[in-house]
Amino acid sequence: GAVVSQHPSWVICKSGTSVKIECRSLDFQATTMFWYRQFPKQSLMLMATSNEGSKATYEQGVEKDKFLINHASLTLSTLTVTSAHPEDSSFYICSAPRDIDTGELFFGEGSRLTVL
Amino acid sequence: AQSVAQPEDQVNVAEGNPLTVKCTYSVSGNPYLFWYVQYPNRGLQFLLKYITGDNLVKGSYGFEAEFNKSQTSFHLKKPSALVSDSALYFCAVRALTGNQFYFGTGTSLTVIP
Repeated sequence: GAVVSQHPSWVICKSGTSVKIECRSLDFQATTMFWYRQFPKQSLMLMATSNEGSKATYEQGVEKDKFLINHASLTLSTLTVTSAHPEDSSFYICSAPRDIDTGELFFGEGSRLTVL
Repeated sequence: AQSVAQPEDQVNVAEGNPLTVKCTYSVSGNPYLFWYVQYPNRGLQFLLKYITGDNLVKGSYGFEAEFNKSQTSFHLKKPSALVSDSALYFCAVRALTGNQFYFGTGTSLTVIP
């Protein structure tokens, strides 16, 4: 079964509104989670690393004020797309390593955001 | 910097034939390499990984990959393709520090009945 849960799977919002996406590790604690963005028929782009109890680390070119990340507990990270615009429409995927030593990442099912 | 490259956007293979999805890597130090599969509108599923040890790694659904240090490659293979193997395949490398994963551009595999 799934070990990383992501919610919502689909969301449609009006331009200018904010949308929150949740990522939960179900049977393990994750001090680190990763947020990716995927455009149609393209690869995953790492947006940021979410760190429990501290600020997220953003990749170059990713707007921190646009994509707010909060890692409030060892099992939950949230990505908030603020003042969303149509160009923010994308597939957002979170992931977490269950075992740092093996390095295997588990992925959520993804969230499809459509901004009208 | 760590990176992987997948030279083929699309691979087509007949059902029952062997398949290969190519991946080359560029890392400093010993690489941690992974293959993931993605079905439409879904997250990624882990297939296999190479950390150390045997160069031939066996993974889920009958897939395997061969780590070749001299050619800096980590090609994904399967002896006999199934129609259900049709999906998007990603090669990935893990950063030596920080645990970030970086993905290739993906290869769309189509298995033709």
